[in-house]
Amino acid sequence: QSVLTQPPSVSGAPGQRVTISCTGTSTNIGTGYDVHWYQHLPGAAPKLLIHDTTNRPSGVPDRFSASKAGISASLAITGLQAEDEGDYYCQSYDTGLRTWVFGGGTRLTVL
Amino acid sequence: QVQLVESGGGLGKPGGSLRLSCAASGFTFSDYYMNWIRQAPGQGLEWISNIRNDGTTTTYADSVRGRFTISRDNAKSSLFLDINNLRADDTAVYYCARMNGAGDTYDAFDFWGRGTVVTVSS
Repeated sequence: QSVLTQPPSVSGAPGQRVTISCTGTSTNIGTGYDVHWYQHLPGAAPKLLIHDTTNRPSGVPDRFSASKAGISASLAITGLQAEDEGDYYCQSYDTGLRTWVFGGGTRLTVL
Repeated sequence: QVQLVESGGGLGKPGGSLRLSCAASGFTFSDYYMNWIRQAPGQGLEWISNIRNDGTTTTYADSVRGRFTISRDNAKSSLFLDINNLRADDTAVYYCARMNGAGDTYDAFDFWGRGTVVTVSS
């Protein structure tokens, strides 16, 4: 079981908006640690999508945005495109486990 | 551009050993903390180890401490993971990943390789 909880799957039609939730606990997201998001497309290396909770690395479209409140974080993707189809992971740090922790991943399907 | 290429995966027997390698290019390897992260079949990602940029400090997840050893050769821009006493639950894709800061708790993994597959079976 992953320390951070994500829905196994989400889907949306091209052009639509989807959100992916990431729920932690008081020992990780709830302590105020940043949340990072990764995109893993089929056949590719995982890619950093959002760092420090809300920041996009250079080259990541502004269709991707993220937020955090309390023990949860959320990734939003607007203007869905077929190329967005893949797996998305959230990540933070856990003070109890003293390790970097990930969500179980969410498979995004573009209908 | 930054590239990380893992190698060394394959089929290992329970109790055996494997050495994974990660060849880095496109950045000054000796400036960055480096990590190994794995993903077992049907599971999420699991951080397993990192190493300070100068190689003097290493950290491990409880699940691998004592069996896995991370090391690096900055002259060759290479990262290694020695896996001993292989177990079935070590079966996974193993990724090397660069950390975007000084190994702090709030750092992200900003570049990853495509991974190398380790399968443990008799």
